Amino acid sequence: DGGITQSPKYLFRKEGQNVTLSCEQNLNHDAMYWYRQDPGQGLRLIYYSQIVNDFQKGDIAEGYSVSREKKESFPLTVTSAQKNPTAFYLCASSMDRAYGYTFGSGTRLTVV
Amino acid sequence: EDQVTQSPEALRLQEGESSSLNCSYTVSGLRGLFWYRQDPGKGPEFLFTLYSAGEEKEKERLKATLTKKESFLHITAPKPEDSATYLCAVNQAGTALIFGKGTTLSVSS
Repeated sequence: DGGITQSPKYLFRKEGQNVTLSCEQNLNHDAMYWYRQDPGQGLRLIYYSQIVNDFQKGDIAEGYSVSREKKESFPLTVTSAQKNPTAFYLCASSMDRAYGYTFGSGTRLTVV
Repeated sequence: EDQVTQSPEALRLQEGESSSLNCSYTVSGLRGLFWYRQDPGKGPEFLFTLYSAGEEKEKERLKATLTKKESFLHITAPKPEDSATYLCAVNQAGTALIFGKGTTLSVSS
């Protein structure tokens, strides 16, 4: 079955550490997105990529980095520069934004 | 300034009590409005896409409508399994989807 897979489901990070969240899709979608969700904040865009080897910053890109070396993969690294990384992270993909997104099941990151 | 505003933030209904959720938007050049359902701890699940004023879409107990300034998600005779957060998003030219903060619906039996 085609879909979008995020891993791990839960992730714990010590302060000062970088962590990488995985996002893989087998839908043959060109575009991929990372959103952060906090209680009462809705979904906020971190980074998006419309094509391999190209990506753009979203509204809250500071402290995050991404790569897009393959069409199927769009990993997100949460760096130590992100001051408040505890949140629920959602990855999505789309063939064309006009048709909406398919979301993964999310990764909950907690700083301990 | 919020471009997508959803109201109310939370809604509590009795089973069978119909109601509506609102999504108002201020973006120009709308190229689609989307409704998603999100269960706790899970990713959003697609419900509807609306492209032009006057358009309506239905799925089971849900009906979505669109005007030039807002969209409504009507819930008819809700059941407890309809409890979830409902997200609205708009597609504006040149950027990714812009999401509202959602309406959390609780339906009690």
